[in-house]
Amino acid sequence: EDQVTQSPEALRLQEGESSSLNCSYTVSGLRGLFWYRQDPGKGPEFLFTLYSAGEEKEKERLKATLTKKESFLHITAPKPEDSATYLCAVPASNTDKLIFGTGTRLQVFP
Amino acid sequence: EAGVVQSPRYKIIEKKQPVAFWCNPISGHNTLYWYLQNLGQGPELLIRYENEEAVDDSQLPKDRFSAERLKGVDSTLKIQPAELGDSAVYLCASSSRTSGGALFFGPGTRLTVL
Repeated sequence: EDQVTQSPEALRLQEGESSSLNCSYTVSGLRGLFWYRQDPGKGPEFLFTLYSAGEEKEKERLKATLTKKESFLHITAPKPEDSATYLCAVPASNTDKLIFGTGTRLQVFP
Repeated sequence: EAGVVQSPRYKIIEKKQPVAFWCNPISGHNTLYWYLQNLGQGPELLIRYENEEAVDDSQLPKDRFSAERLKGVDSTLKIQPAELGDSAVYLCASSSRTSGGALFFGPGTRLTVL
């Protein structure tokens, strides 16, 4: 069964304290993995697409990496404005439907 | 470039009442999606349109939900009658052939059914 699991559910960091968020997936024939950021009361905002194992993408303090079974979103020296829920998603095995994880709620304190 | 527009942003209704949500996708995006997001959960697909055609509506509860995209641009999602369990955020998203599979979401409509 296609599945996306994110961990941890919630993460509290001090400003400047680097960490990583995990997204593990089980689909046949990965056709992309997507990271989104969602602020309270807003829709998900697209961050990255990763297509193959070993690929990396960076944006400001965020770096996404991909292996054959999971993806990591590394946050380096986070700031309070990085506080949000981070969602990952993959297309289902037999359709183009995106399957989302439940997200990691990140809080960064000054 | 304007993003996905949704209205209303918030809606409070009593159970058994009808409700409708409107979405205007990013200009030039031929694919439009309606997603449902419950608190603490990721979005779940309700229906996907390629231009005017609904190509995936397997998750749409057709006894009470309906959707249309008559001219291949704007879309409307309707619930009639609404139930308490329909309280959630309804997200619209769009994509194009050049977006690499990435979806671009609107701000959502938060529905509360009393």
